[in-house]
Formats: sequence, C-alpha cells, structure tokens
Amino acid sequence: EIVLTQSPATLSLSPGERATLSCRASQSVSSHLAWYQQKPDQAPRLLIYDASNRATGIPARFSGSGSGTDFTLTVSSLEPDDFAFYYCQQRFNWPPTFGGGTKLEIK
Amino acid sequence: EVHLVESGGGLIQPGGSLRLSCAASGFTFSSSWMHWVRQAPGKGLLWVSSIDHYGGAMTYADSVKGRFTISRDNAKNTLYLQMNSLSGEDTAVYYCARAWSGTYYMDVWGRGTTVSVSS
Repeated sequence: EIVLTQSPATLSLSPGERATLSCRASQSVSSHLAWYQQKPDQAPRLLIYDASNRATGIPARFSGSGSGTDFTLTVSSLEPDDFAFYYCQQRFNWPPTFGGGTKLEIK
Repeated sequence: EVHLVESGGGLIQPGGSLRLSCAASGFTFSSSWMHWVRQAPGKGLLWVSSIDHYGGAMTYADSVKGRFTISRDNAKNTLYLQMNSLSGEDTAVYYCARAWSGTYYMDVWGRGTTVSVSS
C-alpha cells in the first residue's frame, strides 16, 4: 500500500502567518490526493481534493499544490479557527491511505 | 442540511460483536457510495470499508476483512457495519462518511461513535 508521510509533525505559528504543510507519497499518486482538517473531538472536513481543488465552502486562504509524490497544503494567512490537525489522503491506489497528520498549533 | 449520525458503539469484551448504524439525511442516500473510517485514540485516520450505492460491491481493509461486514438499507437511508471477533486493536472512534463523487474521498462525515474493546 502507498504510505503517506506528513511533515512536520507539529507546526507552531501565529495568527496571520503563512502555513506550509507537506505530504510525501511512497510512490506516485498522480494528482489523486486530498487534504482534511480535524479539530479536537470533531469529524474531519474535506478541504482540498485532487491536489489543488478546494471543496465546497472552503475559504480561498487554503490552497493545495503538487503531483506525483510531493504535495503541499498552504494556508496563506492563519486565522484562529485554522489551528487543528491536518491529514492528507490518497485515492490513486487501493487501499486508500491517510498520512499520519500534522498538528498546526498556536505559537 | 446534510447529516450523518452514527450509533451503536460501546464497551465490548474481546471476541464480541457490535453492529454500528449510520443514519443519513439531507441527500439522496441511495445514489451515494459510503465509507467507514476509524481513528484509534490519539492516532490518525484509517479507512475501514466501503460500499457502492446498491450494496452490491464492498471493499475492506486487510485488518478487518473476514470479521467486519458493511451493508446498507436504502429504504431506511441507513448504513451498517457488523463487527465480529473484536480485539483491542479495534478500539476507535468509527466515522461513517459519504463518498465524494463516487470516489474514495469523503466529503460528509458523521460525528462518530466510540467502540472500546476491553475485558
């Protein structure tokens, strides 16, 4: 199965700063990668699908890029509500797999 | 408004069985592929199982194959997960989720139901 490695494990930033989260796949997943946000005790929320497409209702400050094995989720200017866990997920190969997550915390 | 509400979780002894349910509303359930995803305490997300909109095609993670069975009742707008031969490794919050556009992405999630396997 395809292993997704997310880095860093924890990212400490202040509101207003730019966040850059990485997801690396053990083999190419083409552009078939999604990003999810999860807050404590809440269900995940789909942010980005197929590497760079924002899901319905997702603010423009969230953007995704990459293809093949290297992907990035960028939050252009952090708002207090953005501090959460973020997971990437691939659907290129069965079984679908998730990365281990990045915790975005307030500095 | 689109809603998924899971139920059926609880504390169960190793080797026991549980049946989870997921009630759907606000969308055409019978047209949607559905997934189960779980999250062990303090851990990340793990895809468990998926079912097509008719209930004729099911897939499972290797870790649950032969023990878990996914099914659905489109007349009742409800998704199920029958879990047998449970072990401590199955302890997790179980989420049901709608497939985005028939894919293995998930665009609508329930709040989850907690399964604890312990003696």
